[in-house]
Amino acid sequence: EAGVAQSPRYKIIEKRQSVAFWCNPISGHATLYWYQQILGQGPKLLIQFQNNGVVDDSQLPKDRFSAERLKGVDSTLKIQPAKLEDSAVYLCASSRTGDYGYTFGSGTRLTVV
Amino acid sequence: SQKIEQNSEALNIQEGKTATLTCNYTNYSPAYLQWYRQDPGRGPVFLLLIRENEKEKRKERLKVTFDTTLKQSLFHITASQPADSATYLCARMDSNYQLIWGAGTKLIIKP
Repeated sequence: EAGVAQSPRYKIIEKRQSVAFWCNPISGHATLYWYQQILGQGPKLLIQFQNNGVVDDSQLPKDRFSAERLKGVDSTLKIQPAKLEDSAVYLCASSRTGDYGYTFGSGTRLTVV
Repeated sequence: SQKIEQNSEALNIQEGKTATLTCNYTNYSPAYLQWYRQDPGRGPVFLLLIRENEKEKRKERLKVTFDTTLKQSLFHITASQPADSATYLCARMDSNYQLIWGAGTKLIIKP
């Protein structure tokens, strides 16, 4: 099966600019996650979707971050305006509902200068 | 709050030996523990899941144990190879199927 697709792979922006990331999960996976991973740390959950509904966005900085999952398939994550501390790798993952492993994309490395 | 702790120091192992990585958790036992491999510049790759009522799970050269008394999971790679060098992440999965991650342990297998 095809993996989780993410784009772009790399992005460099200036602070206060906006940026968007795209994710296409594995077909049939109802659950989609966006994670932020800082070097040397484990992934931190930003938002979890079940189909096109939000299950958990408690750690999403809603004053600057937004995410949507249209028609329960593709998803976009947006940051506006970006701050220096947003520099990280943004990972998208999908899974079937239940005690299954997650499948991750290769991530987007964001550098805010 | 729930925490997952992994050894932050890199683990250096001679090729052919067994590598053992440790994952400790706090508070109540998670319903499941998962182990992932992460290579530089890539997303984590799922390896194994073990349930709280399972003592051990195996997959090829990999073995995971779950000790709810010690609040610990051990991850073993037998007959280790340089290609096994990567960062290994442990994550607890609760009943709502969300993962809480450790920071990972970097494993280096020397030829």
